[in-house]
Amino acid sequence: GEDVEQSLFLSVREGDSSVINCTYTDSSSTYLYWYKQEPGAGLQLLTYIFSNMDMKQDQRLTVLLNKKDKHLSLRIADTQTGDSAIYFCAEPPSGGGADGLTFGKGTHLIIQP
Amino acid sequence: DTGVSQNPRHKITKRGQNVTFRCDPISEHNRLYWYRQTLGQGPEFLTYFQNEAQLEKSRLLSDRFSAERPKGSFSTLEIQRTEQGDSAMYLCASSSLAGEQYFGPGTRLTVT
Repeated sequence: GEDVEQSLFLSVREGDSSVINCTYTDSSSTYLYWYKQEPGAGLQLLTYIFSNMDMKQDQRLTVLLNKKDKHLSLRIADTQTGDSAIYFCAEPPSGGGADGLTFGKGTHLIIQP
Repeated sequence: DTGVSQNPRHKITKRGQNVTFRCDPISEHNRLYWYRQTLGQGPEFLTYFQNEAQLEKSRLLSDRFSAERPKGSFSTLEIQRTEQGDSAMYLCASSSLAGEQYFGPGTRLTVT
């Protein structure tokens, strides 16, 4: 079965970089996703990376993919108080089907002033 | 288009009552997904539709849960004879055939 794992908490100082890590199990995953959830809200798609890429950069966000180790990371540069949220890593179903995504438990990003 | 919408945003019900939630997807999206999220967990996939066809429903939590998408546009999720363990956030998402999933704000259900 699929299992996506993340650390539960990350605390950083405002202005520093945040690095949120994720490991996944399905080597056939075509895309991998990062979502952001603020308190009481739904999930906001932040970014995604195709499996034939090693890195994707989008403004303050950098996604790194290590397929050999099945490791995905999200780096947020110049972390701001508005970045305080839960960040979820997600992978599609095995075999690239159209089933639902499998999510990790989420990493709570805590910003210290 | 303003994205995926869900109604109601909050629902409080007594144990044993039936509840129904509605999801309106992004208008050009063929696929619609339902997830449940409990406290401290990531969303858990329940079921999905492609147009009006329900292509996966084995992950629905029990036979008390059912979903419809009668005209391939909005969808409803019904929970019959609610139990306290059904208290959760119910999330809807939509996507195009080959695209990423966009989520609505969710419906928070509290069963007393």
